[in-house]
Amino acid sequence: DGGITQSPKYLFRKEGQNVTLSCEQNLNHDAMYWYRQDPGQGLRLIYYSQIVNDFQKGDIAEGYSVSREKKESFPLTVTSAQKNPTAFYLCASSPAEKLFFGSGTQLSVL
Amino acid sequence: QQQVKQSPQSLIVQKGGISIINCAYENTAFDYFPWYQQFPGKGPALLIAIRPDVSEKKEGRFTISFNKSAKQFSLHIMDSQPGDSATYFCAARRTGGFKTIFGAGTRLFVKA
Repeated sequence: DGGITQSPKYLFRKEGQNVTLSCEQNLNHDAMYWYRQDPGQGLRLIYYSQIVNDFQKGDIAEGYSVSREKKESFPLTVTSAQKNPTAFYLCASSPAEKLFFGSGTQLSVL
Repeated sequence: QQQVKQSPQSLIVQKGGISIINCAYENTAFDYFPWYQQFPGKGPALLIAIRPDVSEKKEGRFTISFNKSAKQFSLHIMDSQPGDSATYFCAARRTGGFKTIFGAGTRLFVKA
């Protein structure tokens, strides 16, 4: 089955803790993205990567970090510097304009 | 200049009716305008998309109308069904660019 796999489905973060969200794709797409979704606010771009070992900040990168060591994988770390991390996080990949999304990770603060 | 404004925020339509969602953009460099459909707890999926060289695109019950001079585009869902109940996002992107800008979303509920 080709697609984007995000894990875990639900994640809880304690105060001062860093957490990492996983995103894996087997679509052989070069570009990958992380979006944050808050109720009533659409999707906001956190980071994107056009090729392996390269990534760019999106509109709301503060408090987040990423890596792109393999074409298939683009993990997102939510650091303790992100003071309002509760949101639905979506990973996507694309061969061109069309975005293919995973099923998301809901992150909540304990 | 990067914004995409979407309305209404929510919409209730009777089964069999027409659902209409509107979007407006500012950046004239945008040349790809997709609509994504999202069901609760899932990621969005591309529904239909249009480029500014045409004024209308139809796929089944879904139609995009595009007005380049007004910088507006809209999604029409004909014969709306309860299974169409979802959140719909309009978006815009520049060819060769890597950023897709999303509207705030419209929650559609189709009453049986």
